[in-house]
Amino acid sequence: QSALTQPASVSGSPGQSITISCSGTSSDIGGYEYVSWYQQHPDKAPKLIIFDVSNRPSGVSNRFSGSKSGNTASLTISGLQTEDEADYYCTSYTSSVAYVFGTGTRVAVL
Amino acid sequence: DVQLVESGGGLFQPGGSLRLSCAPSGFTFRDCWMHWVRQAPGMGLVWVARINPEGSTTDYADSVRGRFTISRDNAKNMLYLQMHSLTVEDTAVYYCATAGNYRFDQWGQGTLVTVSS
Repeated sequence: QSALTQPASVSGSPGQSITISCSGTSSDIGGYEYVSWYQQHPDKAPKLIIFDVSNRPSGVSNRFSGSKSGNTASLTISGLQTEDEADYYCTSYTSSVAYVFGTGTRVAVL
Repeated sequence: DVQLVESGGGLFQPGGSLRLSCAPSGFTFRDCWMHWVRQAPGMGLVWVARINPEGSTTDYADSVRGRFTISRDNAKNMLYLQMHSLTVEDTAVYYCATAGNYRFDQWGQGTLVTVSS
């Protein structure tokens, strides 16, 4: 099972919106509504920010939103803030190996 | 508050074995699916294994199947990952994580396993 494909890096200015894509197949993203997203700051554990494609856990800013179309999921961060600088990973349930993560995207706030 | 504390990491030789532990608190451990996820230095997250609440069902990534065993002791409130036939590719920070419905809700701080001669 190959990792889901994400852009290596995305950048934006404070206040802007950015979108991170996560590309998979019909065996993972396209086949299930079980895409989740994680934020990881340097040397910290990942943190769940989106689950079931577009739902936010309690306490997560509404500046984070998720969506899915076909075999591609997306995470949008609106009103970009300096504390949003981190690595972001998507993951999906799959029909084969249970779970697969994305390759990860580093977000830079310029 | 939910807490997950991993332990057991360190420096190990290729071909060796070790057992990682994860001590959960702040939630009803025996009701939860649990996972191990690893992250090689400077690399992305990789799902390793999962176990159901009763400990009767386990699944593994292809890269570790046959070498790693996930287990739990609900009476002792502990999660384990037994690792055999270590290779340098197993060098990573290993996280335990609670599993909600098809998501990883809470993560430990991780324990570093380094495999090197």
